[in-house]
Amino acid sequence: KAGVTQTPRYLIKTRGQQVTLSCSPISGHRSVSWYQQTPGQGLQFLFEYFSETQRNKGNFPGRFSGRQFSNSRSEMNVSTLELGDSALYLCASSLVGRGGETQYFGPGTRLLVL
Amino acid sequence: AQTVTQSQPEMSVQEAETVTLSCTYDTSESDYYLFWYKQPPSRQMILVIRQEAYKQQNATENRFSVNFQKAAKSFSLKISDSQLGDAAMYFCAYRSAGGSEKLVFGKGTKLTVNP
Repeated sequence: KAGVTQTPRYLIKTRGQQVTLSCSPISGHRSVSWYQQTPGQGLQFLFEYFSETQRNKGNFPGRFSGRQFSNSRSEMNVSTLELGDSALYLCASSLVGRGGETQYFGPGTRLLVL
Repeated sequence: AQTVTQSQPEMSVQEAETVTLSCTYDTSESDYYLFWYKQPPSRQMILVIRQEAYKQQNATENRFSVNFQKAAKSFSLKISDSQLGDAAMYFCAYRSAGGSEKLVFGKGTKLTVNP
């Protein structure tokens, strides 16, 4: 089975632009979560989707949004980029996102905002 | 809100020796899950070991084992017979047993394995 894939792997943007990141979960997995990883703040939860519905949202401004499609693929969008948005964005998938299920992480998208 | 603290930003161990990484957490919940994740340099994060809070028995996975002290809210990871491939960032994480998949991570411990 293919693992979690994220595209693009690397991205350079300038302040004020917007960006869309994509995550394809493992086949059969219906739950997708997103995390932001920075040296200063560590790993922080962004959102969680299950069956096209946002089930939980972290403490991020409204510039960060996401969605999930019927095939479980997910996208996250960041509008009006700021320098502080430079980070590694990780996506994780699991079957249904319940209990102690293992979450499988993708390789991440490294975003640099200039 | 739950918090996870890893008090050792960096640790080092000699190959074949044993090392213990510390993790404490704060929660008012009685049912939850605890995890250790490994993130090698420029590679994907992978699950090392998981512990259900309702289980008193400490989890083990080959060379990896945990010491789970629920009352003390402590969850340390012991790596036995350390190998060069164990070098990585190790993250302790908490997840509620309720309906969310959200993981709360500690800041991580960078483990160096010396040959």
